[in-house]
Amino acid sequence: KAGVTQTPRYLIKTRGQQVTLSCSPISGHRSVSWYQQTPGQGLQFLFEYFSETQRNKGNFPGRFSGRQFSNSRSEMNVSTLELGDSALYLCASSFETGVRNTEAFFGQGTRLTVV
Amino acid sequence: DAKTTQPTSMDCAEGRAANLPCNHSTISGNEYVYWYRQIHSQGPQYIIHGLKNNETNEMASLIITEDRKSSTLILPHATLRDTAVYYCIVRVYGGATNKLIFGTGTLLAVQP
Repeated sequence: KAGVTQTPRYLIKTRGQQVTLSCSPISGHRSVSWYQQTPGQGLQFLFEYFSETQRNKGNFPGRFSGRQFSNSRSEMNVSTLELGDSALYLCASSFETGVRNTEAFFGQGTRLTVV
Repeated sequence: DAKTTQPTSMDCAEGRAANLPCNHSTISGNEYVYWYRQIHSQGPQYIIHGLKNNETNEMASLIITEDRKSSTLILPHATLRDTAVYYCIVRVYGGATNKLIFGTGTLLAVQP
């Protein structure tokens, strides 16, 4: 079956702009998590959505937001972009929690460059 | 979630077993050990997870000490394609979250 799909793969934006990234999870997965990866901070958890509700949030400013649709697809938005937002943004989907295997499957990521 | 400690880097000869250690001395009874790896510029890939018994799948084996304070991921016959950063993560299995806390991981370099 198809894996986690993230679009676009690469993006260049200017400081002050906003950006929306998209993630399509594996079919049947209802949990979608977002991560930011930078050389300095490594892989950091942004937030998780489950059944259209944000269930967990990492320590990021309010400029970072997300949402999940009824088909489990998710988007994340970053407003008022800063140079430090340049990073690889990764999306991961999981089947569900508490019942079955909860290993997360990651997409290839979106490489965002802010200039 | 408990914190993990891993060596920064390791080398392994192609065809030999790669043994990657992880220390998780503060692990609690309901926390599992998960291993992921990330090949350069790709998304992390799930490898294996376990609670207290040793686990094996088609990719690797996971050996957890009896006191559960440390574990070792074993790649039985390393290939050049196994060169990657390997992350050991401790988290509660199930529960109302799929949040993963990544450390700095171990860069495994498989040498020809």
